[in-house]
Amino acid sequence: DAGVTQSPTHLIKTRGQQVTLRCSPKSGHDTVSWYQQALGQGPQFIFQYYEEEERQRGNFPDRFSGHQFPNYSSELNVNALLLGDSALYLCASSRDSSSYNEQFFGPGTRLTVL
Amino acid sequence: SQQGEEDPQALSIQEGENATMNCSYKTSINNLQWYRQNSGRGLVHLILIRSNEREKHSGRLRVTLDTSKKSSSLLITASRAADTASYFCATKGGIWDYGQNFVFGPGTRLSVLP
Repeated sequence: DAGVTQSPTHLIKTRGQQVTLRCSPKSGHDTVSWYQQALGQGPQFIFQYYEEEERQRGNFPDRFSGHQFPNYSSELNVNALLLGDSALYLCASSRDSSSYNEQFFGPGTRLTVL
Repeated sequence: SQQGEEDPQALSIQEGENATMNCSYKTSINNLQWYRQNSGRGLVHLILIRSNEREKHSGRLRVTLDTSKKSSSLLITASRAADTASYFCATKGGIWDYGQNFVFGPGTRLSVLP
């Protein structure tokens, strides 16, 4: 079992550019959540995808969008990048049918915006 | 604002000593989970405690939950240098509160000195 995988590992972009981050959930999981973690802070919930639809969203602007594919993998897109978007982006997967929705995290993508 | 708040923010102990970290939260929860993060990498799930449980053990880890005080503690016994990491608590509310996502605190940075 490969667990949750994310790509790329690191990414450097400049202000105003757009970026796409990818996540493959753990086998058997159908729900994907994305988190942003700034340096020295706890992860902040961005949004969650289930059945290819955004089910819940945190306090993030519309520049942050996502997608879930039929195989449950997911993408996070960020448009018009700002310096403040520099962070570790974490993907977590879970089984929606689980009562307690234990989440398993991927290693993250480190995004640096210059 | 964040649901969980860990205390202390940073903790330094000698190898072999016990480490205790606390987490306080604000609203009712379905469960509370503790995670470890090594140096900006992905989060590793340590232990989940349900709202109807008061104490749980896993190896050298002991977690307590006091729903009347809206607080939890994580005890690591006989600490090792490899325990050096940031520790986060994450709460999941009921569907009527926070839906499916988890809310993380800012974390406790633990340093175990050899």
